[in-house]
Amino acid sequence: DADVTQTPRNRITKTGKRIMLECSQTKGHDRMYWYRQDPGLGLRLIYYSFDVKDINKGEISDGYSVSRQAQAKFSLSLESAIPNQTALYFCATSSIRGNTGELFFGEGSRLTVL
Amino acid sequence: KNQVEQSPQSLIILEGKNCTLQCNYTVSPFSNLRWYKQDTGRGPVSLTIMTFSENTKSNGRYTATLDADTKQSSLHITASQLSDSASYICVVTGAGNMLTFGGGTRLMVKP
Repeated sequence: DADVTQTPRNRITKTGKRIMLECSQTKGHDRMYWYRQDPGLGLRLIYYSFDVKDINKGEISDGYSVSRQAQAKFSLSLESAIPNQTALYFCATSSIRGNTGELFFGEGSRLTVL
Repeated sequence: KNQVEQSPQSLIILEGKNCTLQCNYTVSPFSNLRWYKQDTGRGPVSLTIMTFSENTKSNGRYTATLDADTKQSSLHITASQLSDSASYICVVTGAGNMLTFGGGTRLMVKP
């Protein structure tokens, strides 16, 4: 089983719908992240959480919200999806221990907003 | 502004050939630099990490270099294989463990 699991892996939805992408991890890491990847562009940080009570906006948080339900779970919500939110979304984790900043990514969630 | 620039954007080589990918950064202060490999449709996976004091590090057929003075890193792939076809992403860690991502180099290895 994957250490970082994202659901759903693929989702097609319509403009205005509410969408939730879920992420769970078995690595025991304290830090979790949501990134967005668009064709030809690098990974961009949406939100990150350093522990259950810590939520921080990334560079492109507008239109998104997150919830850290437990150390192992971090969900991303699009309250009212729009077509330019069509992208590949990645959840990632890291540990403060060792402090090297290595990210462990999930397999990605491909979202299409029509 | 912290930036990480990678070149080339894309590259096609024949199987068995070598190639070198470049990463230039302006992140300061610098903590470390990491190269990730991202297979199509998959999440990135770390290949190697370079810290300030390291000049060269190898991981199998992958060799990374770092010149902290010129703020440049390279990833050299020796005797390429079809499975090397992927995107390679350079990520620099700066102050407060904040990460700056490069746009990636898309490598295609043809038989």
